[in-house]
Amino acid sequence: NAGVTQTPKFQVLKTGQSMTLQCAQDMNHNSMYWYRQDPGMGLRLIYYSASEGTTDKGEVPNGYNVSRLNKREFSLRLESAAPSQTSVYFCASSEVGGSGYTFGSGTRLTVV
Amino acid sequence: GEDVEQSLFLSVREGDSSVINCTYTDSSSTYLYWYKQEPGAGLQLLTYIFSNMDMKQDQRLTVLLNKKDKHLSLRIADTQTGDSAIYFCAESVDNFNKFYFGSGTKLNVKP
Repeated sequence: NAGVTQTPKFQVLKTGQSMTLQCAQDMNHNSMYWYRQDPGMGLRLIYYSASEGTTDKGEVPNGYNVSRLNKREFSLRLESAAPSQTSVYFCASSEVGGSGYTFGSGTRLTVV
Repeated sequence: GEDVEQSLFLSVREGDSSVINCTYTDSSSTYLYWYKQEPGAGLQLLTYIFSNMDMKQDQRLTVLLNKKDKHLSLRIADTQTGDSAIYFCAESVDNFNKFYFGSGTKLNVKP
């Protein structure tokens, strides 16, 4: 089925460890996004990529890096995880024109 | 970032209508959206409205937009227990490069 695929679905890290969250979409969308969702705070944009080869910071980029590997894939890396990065991370993609996002099912990350 | 505000909770009885409200601050918003999130899942687009429209109806869903007051509402007619979820309001700005979300309204439907 067409959509946005995120891996892994769950992850527990120790403080200071690094990891990469993977995201791939098969809808040929130009734009891709990483959000984090925390209770009572809605979704906050971490980074986005308006097209292949470009990335830009969102509201809360500190502690994260991204790579737009190709049109399909957009990864999010935590170089040195901190407990404040415990959250649910969502990847999304969209096409220009207002039809909204397609979201992945999320990665639940716990940093202890 | 932009401010998109929603009340946190709404409780209704099955069969009643639900009205979820949202206010936003960016008058240059192009489209405004309603998303639904069920437990453990990602967000699913329910409906959206272009900023030059006042109303959009889609089966049991009615979206009302008051652009002067920057107020958006989602009305769900004949609310069912399967409508229990968190509903997010969102606006697109910067030529669709950024979307800003409210904190979500948790709708509880009692049988």
